[in-house]
Amino acid sequence: GQNIDQPTEMTATEGAIVQINCTYQTSGFNGLFWYQQHAGEAPTFLSYNVLDGLEEKGRFSSFLSRSKGYSYLLLKELQMKDSASYLCAVKDKSNYQLIWGAGTKLIIKP
Amino acid sequence: ETGVTQTPRHLVMGMTNKKSLKCEQHLGHNAMYWYKQSAKKPLELMFVYNFKEQTENNSVPSRFSPECPNSSHLFLHLHTLQPEDSALYLCASSQDRTSGSGLETQYFGPGTRLLVL
Repeated sequence: GQNIDQPTEMTATEGAIVQINCTYQTSGFNGLFWYQQHAGEAPTFLSYNVLDGLEEKGRFSSFLSRSKGYSYLLLKELQMKDSASYLCAVKDKSNYQLIWGAGTKLIIKP
Repeated sequence: ETGVTQTPRHLVMGMTNKKSLKCEQHLGHNAMYWYKQSAKKPLELMFVYNFKEQTENNSVPSRFSPECPNSSHLFLHLHTLQPEDSALYLCASSQDRTSGSGLETQYFGPGTRLLVL
């Protein structure tokens, strides 16, 4: 079957580092996306990984291991504005649709 | 990017009403999508249009009827909805649907928060 798993909620401290994990099972893999969604707002694109390894973009980095069906989003130097839900989505190669995780709600404390 | 707009932002309707949601993208994209987002559940893909042609209908009840008059506009017509249809309805667009090069990255509108009474 097809499945995306990510933790429901995480808490971290302002200025710290947090890693949000995502594991997936799909019939065919053609890329993994991370989105950020603030409460009541649209999801906004953060990163795209299609090859194994780490992609760094400012304070945010995303890692992919296709053999393990695993990705993580790393957020450094956390700021209060990083409090949001983080959505992991995998593109299914068979029908080009995105399979979405339920999202990880990240709470940043001072 | 915030090149996708949706109206209305909030909608309350009775089960016998007919209403329409509108989405417009200003990004020159070729594919458009409707999603349903319910609390604590994954995004549910409803419909996909590619170059104005519907390519996906994920077993959506007929009380939801999409319309795509051109590559920039997408509508979702609502009729005889049920209370369980209350959710956030999100529209998205992408340059491409299949490439695997990142051109299929979807950009979302702010959504319409729908409440069915």
